Amino acid sequence: DIQMTQSPSTLSASVGDRVTITCRASQSISSWLAWYQQKPGKAPKLLIYKASSLESGVPSRFSGSGSGTEFTLTISSLQPDDFATYYCQQYNSYLWALTFGGGTKVEIK
Amino acid sequence: EVQLVETGGGLIQPGGSLRLSCAASGFTVSSNYMSWVRQAPGKGLEWVSVIYSGGSTYYADSVKGRFTISRDNSKNTLYLQMNSLRAEDTAVYYCARDNSSSGYFNYWGQGTLVTVSS
Repeated sequence: DIQMTQSPSTLSASVGDRVTITCRASQSISSWLAWYQQKPGKAPKLLIYKASSLESGVPSRFSGSGSGTEFTLTISSLQPDDFATYYCQQYNSYLWALTFGGGTKVEIK
Repeated sequence: EVQLVETGGGLIQPGGSLRLSCAASGFTVSSNYMSWVRQAPGKGLEWVSVIYSGGSTYYADSVKGRFTISRDNSKNTLYLQMNSLRAEDTAVYYCARDNSSSGYFNYWGQGTLVTVSS
């Protein structure tokens, strides 16, 4: 299986901050990467797919970049609704399993 | 409006069996790739299984041979039959729709909790 490593695991930030989360794959996944936001007790919500494509309805302050093995999710100006846990997910192929990163919790500083 | 509603979770003893259901509305299950994803308490997300629109199925190594994914087209419902359950199968189980048949999920259910304990 392809291993996904996110950093940091926890991030403390203030409203208005620019926030960057990194996700590294154990082998190249081209641009087959998605990002999700999850709040406590809720299902994940898709933010970004194909590394940099913004899902419909997601605010433009969210952006994704990267290819190969290194990817980033950036929140340009953190809003109160953005405090949550974020997961990356590779989808290189179902045949070799889909895998998620360990998550990054964005907390209020 | 797309909706996914999971049911069937509960407390089950190790070695037992349970069947989860995911009732869909607003789209046709059989025309989409549908997956189960689970999340152990306080932990991250783990993909469990997928059924393709054509009927092919794939499983994570951790559940292969114990879990079976299926669907009932007449009921527009996805299932996960879980046998030989272990304590490490304890998790919230989500069904999820892969809208583009690519491997990422743009619709999720609310989840159902499975607890494996004696």
